[in-house]
Amino acid sequence: DAGVIQSPRHEVTEMGQEVTLRCKPISGHNSLFWYRQTMMRGLELLIYFNNNVPIDDSGMPEDRFSAKMPNASFSTLKIQPSEPRDSAVYFCASSFTAAGSYEQYFGPGTRLTVT
Amino acid sequence: KNQVEQSPQSLIILEGKNCTLQCNYTVSPFSNLRWYKQDTGRGPVSLTIMTFSENTKSNGRYTATLDADTKQSSLHITASQLSDSASYICVVRRNTGKLIFGQGTTLQVKP
Repeated sequence: DAGVIQSPRHEVTEMGQEVTLRCKPISGHNSLFWYRQTMMRGLELLIYFNNNVPIDDSGMPEDRFSAKMPNASFSTLKIQPSEPRDSAVYFCASSFTAAGSYEQYFGPGTRLTVT
Repeated sequence: KNQVEQSPQSLIILEGKNCTLQCNYTVSPFSNLRWYKQDTGRGPVSLTIMTFSENTKSNGRYTATLDADTKQSSLHITASQLSDSASYICVVRRNTGKLIFGQGTTLQVKP
């Protein structure tokens, strides 16, 4: 099993540019989570999907952030326009959510730097 | 307010020594508590998951304890190794499914 795959691993962009982060969850998993991690705030849940449907997007900081999950094997997190304060490591995680099973598997993360 | 507080913020120990990391939470209602290990530059990896009815759970040299009455958990690492150097994150899951993350404890094991 390849685990959760994220791309790119590193992204450097200028303020105002659009950024798209990609995630491929583990095959068979039905839940997908996007997190942001910074030194100041630690790990924060941005949004999560269950069966490709957004369930809770209360962690999305503002309208500049959007996430989609067009099918069970792919999700994107888009920031448009990007700002320096968006610089962080963005993690995608997936799980098979069933009764008594909540284990989340994290991808390697995308380190985003907005200059 | 639902919070998860971890202590110490950072810790340095010598290889072979034991250590204990603390997690206090005010999250309610509570579903389960997890400890994650995060190596530098990588995503978190689960060490243990405990429901409110479990008092202790082990994963090799890692042992987690939970006291649901006092809302405290600890992660004990036995005979530390250099590879234990990482951040350890305590995460509490509410019954609603929402995860509340602690800020983490950074552990450095020195030879």
